[in-house]
Amino acid sequence: GENVEQHPSTLSVQEGDSAVIKCTYSDSASNYFPWYKQELGKRPQLIIDIRSNVGEKKDQRIAVTLNKTAKHFSLHITETQPEDSAVYFCAATASGGSYIPTFGRGTSLIVHP
Amino acid sequence: DTEVTQTPKHLVMGMTNKKSLKCEQHMGHRAMYWYKQKAKKPPELMFVYSYEKLSINESVPSRFSPECPNSSLLNLHLHALQPEDSALYLCASSHRASSRGEQYFGPGTRLTVT
Repeated sequence: GENVEQHPSTLSVQEGDSAVIKCTYSDSASNYFPWYKQELGKRPQLIIDIRSNVGEKKDQRIAVTLNKTAKHFSLHITETQPEDSAVYFCAATASGGSYIPTFGRGTSLIVHP
Repeated sequence: DTEVTQTPKHLVMGMTNKKSLKCEQHMGHRAMYWYKQKAKKPPELMFVYSYEKLSINESVPSRFSPECPNSSLLNLHLHALQPEDSALYLCASSHRASSRGEQYFGPGTRLTVT
């Protein structure tokens, strides 16, 4: 089955800095890679996703890159703000069968004002 | 309506109680999921329903019993739980279990077993 590794487990940055979270996956059939943000006590919320036919996707301050050859994808947050503080989960899934995302272990991002 | 709702928000139950968690979506999604989540850990898949039929049971103990009465509703019946079952229980839905990938999560039910 799919295995997703996520690093780092904790990331502490100053407001205005950039933050990068990296994930690797094992199943070459995976073709959809969502990122979820989960604030304390709240639901996971999809913030950006990328499909395997695209190498990069950007939405305002967040971007995701995908390297299919190396089987890794990354989340980039620029100009971080305190409200970006949350746990971020990456996931990988393969279409064509049951859609079951495999989640990474999560990164706790702390943005210091 | 682009939301998944769950009730109750919080639940405290004893080990001999029977209770139910409810989930509802009106987005026309035909796949619905139950997840269990411990603090700062990723959601752990419990069950998947596709077109109102149970398609995946991730070896969940029988004290958890899912039910999908119709395409909009998903229940999780709880009986004789253990303290280690205390967690956030998340419901999610997606267009189809084998198609577009976006999952929409409900706010969760915070369950405490005493």
